[in-house]
Amino acid sequence: DGGITQSPKYLFRKEGQNVTLSCEQNLNHDAMYWYRQDPGQGLRLIYYSQIVNDFQKGDIAEGYSVSREKKESFPLTVTSAQKNPTAFYLCASSIPETGSEQFFGPGTRLTVL
Amino acid sequence: KNQVEQSPQSLIILEGKNCTLQCNYTVSPFSNLRWYKQDTGRGPVSLTIMTFSENTKSNGRYTATLDADTKQSSLHITASQLSDSASYICVVSAGGYNKLIFGAGTRLAVHP
Repeated sequence: DGGITQSPKYLFRKEGQNVTLSCEQNLNHDAMYWYRQDPGQGLRLIYYSQIVNDFQKGDIAEGYSVSREKKESFPLTVTSAQKNPTAFYLCASSIPETGSEQFFGPGTRLTVL
Repeated sequence: KNQVEQSPQSLIILEGKNCTLQCNYTVSPFSNLRWYKQDTGRGPVSLTIMTFSENTKSNGRYTATLDADTKQSSLHITASQLSDSASYICVVSAGGYNKLIFGAGTRLAVHP
């Protein structure tokens, strides 16, 4: 998992609640990403950040929010506005250059009860 | 529309046998193609990265090939081991560090 940690590993949420997923990296990477993985589908980009205090929406940002106050940290909040939040969430980091490898964390499985 | 399609969806082989996984893509512009291995409940781990000019790249028992003309790639696993049981994901970079198109993956099960 190469220097990227995610917590918690499993998370259960009641409908209507916001939850925050943690992602920390010690690889000194400027770029960080959040992906969502659903069964039978490829990973989909939620948000990405190229540098501290800056982030951009990905393909499926609705119902999610992020912050990037520190280079090492990129937390993702799943809000009550996300209609179908049950999924496996993966955080990744890289140097912000075309062709650079993305290193992934171990993931957080979120289940809405 | 940028797409990456992988086949087969799932595969079962016996330990010690070889197998080949396929990846077809329609992505433009093309920057590079990557193969990742993802164990169940874990994050993907990079196996190979190939640019437009590379035809083949190996990583131990894993060998990836790329045909940029036909927009096809394959991942060949030699002498499979039980630890090869995982999902294998083909990813194409569509220019820009944040523009990755992911395939749905091939789930490989290696049985003793």
